[in-house]
Amino acid sequence: KNEVEQSPQNLTAQEGEFITINCSYSVGISALHWLQQHPGGGIVSLFMLSSGKKKHGRLIATINIQEKHSSLHITASHPRDSAVYICADSNTGTASKLTFGTGTRLQVTL
Amino acid sequence: GAGVSQTPSNKVTEKGKYVELRCDPISGHTALYWYRQSLGQGPEFLIYFQGTGAADDSGLPNDRFFAVRPEGSVSTLKIQRTERGDSAVYLCASSTRQAPRGELFFGEGSRLTVL
Repeated sequence: KNEVEQSPQNLTAQEGEFITINCSYSVGISALHWLQQHPGGGIVSLFMLSSGKKKHGRLIATINIQEKHSSLHITASHPRDSAVYICADSNTGTASKLTFGTGTRLQVTL
Repeated sequence: GAGVSQTPSNKVTEKGKYVELRCDPISGHTALYWYRQSLGQGPEFLIYFQGTGAADDSGLPNDRFFAVRPEGSVSTLKIQRTERGDSAVYLCASSTRQAPRGELFFGEGSRLTVL
């Protein structure tokens, strides 16, 4: 059974801090997604990656296929980054179905 | 439309009633997904459509749940004889291509409360 685990579950940071959220999965994957969910809001796709590293603005996502691990980094964090960050993977056996982690709740304070 | 639209945004019903939740995907997106998210949990896969057909319905919890997409665009998730445990946010997502190769676009969700 494919399991996706995220750490930490909750994270509080001060504005400007560098933030790292980790995601580990248990079986081989086709791709890994990082998603953002604001309270009461919908989910926004941030990244989809299957190897290496991607960058968009202050957000960076990396993945290590051999170690079955991905990280999401936020540079120069801002209160508007406060949200739940979710990783989801699609393993090679069930490409149509994403398995989601339980999310990391990030609070960035002034 | 500009994004994925889900209606209703909130639905309160009584145990045993029938409920329909609607998803209008982004125009041209052939792949459509339904997920269910309980409080404090990540989304849980329910069903995936490619065009009009359900390509994978292995996530539907039991036969009270059914979904259709008759014209390959709008989809309706139907729940019969609702139970309190069905209370959750039901999320719809669409994509131009089958995940994982296509970026997913999510709707705002339909919050279902079964009393």
